Amino acid sequence: GAVVSQHPSRVICKSGTSVKIECRSLDFQATTMFWYRQFPKQSLMLMATSNEGSKATYEQGVEKDKFLINHASLTLSTLTVTSAHPEDSSFYICSSGSLTSTDTQYFGPGTRLTVL
Amino acid sequence: AQSVAQPEDQVNVAEGNPLTVKCTYSVSGNPYLFWYVQYPNRGLQFLLKYITGDNLVKGSYGFEAEFNKSQTSFHLKKPSALVSDSALYFCAVRDPIQKLVFGTGTRLLVSP
Repeated sequence: GAVVSQHPSRVICKSGTSVKIECRSLDFQATTMFWYRQFPKQSLMLMATSNEGSKATYEQGVEKDKFLINHASLTLSTLTVTSAHPEDSSFYICSSGSLTSTDTQYFGPGTRLTVL
Repeated sequence: AQSVAQPEDQVNVAEGNPLTVKCTYSVSGNPYLFWYVQYPNRGLQFLLKYITGDNLVKGSYGFEAEFNKSQTSFHLKKPSALVSDSALYFCAVRDPIQKLVFGTGTRLLVSP
């Protein structure tokens, strides 16, 4: 399957700072990437769908001004958590895929964000 | 709305025994179903998917899943469990606008 990387794997930051997480599709061109967050012992919740060259589509309840998504190339999407607060601490996972229903989404290894 | 349910929070099985992780689905239209596995502090790894065709789908690491339309189920199975299979397993369904909707996850614990 496709290889997706994320960087950093773990980040600790102070409250009020911004953190950027990178998601790279290493072996194919991903026109669409998805960003999820996962709280401890819970399932994945889709935050937004990122489309190359256009604005991301956010799920209901996700603040687009707080979680900035940029998908400037076919291999890179970034999620920036702005003015992070402790409640933003979570495991963030990206995946790459397409909008074809039968295609498989391949997931990155995740980024553990801890906001102090 | 599309949804999947994983009724068991945890499944315990002894190494060498068969394992089953349950998943039922609710969809309008054709179901596109997936199983993923997550190891601690890791992303999700794709195991298998059902799109159409044979009801028994074979996937990675010796796992398979059986699509049962009458019971709206897509249970994950393996004939002989390994301790290394211990992980968190997610069932998912693709909704009409192509998003994955995940179940709540089932923790599999395989004891030596």
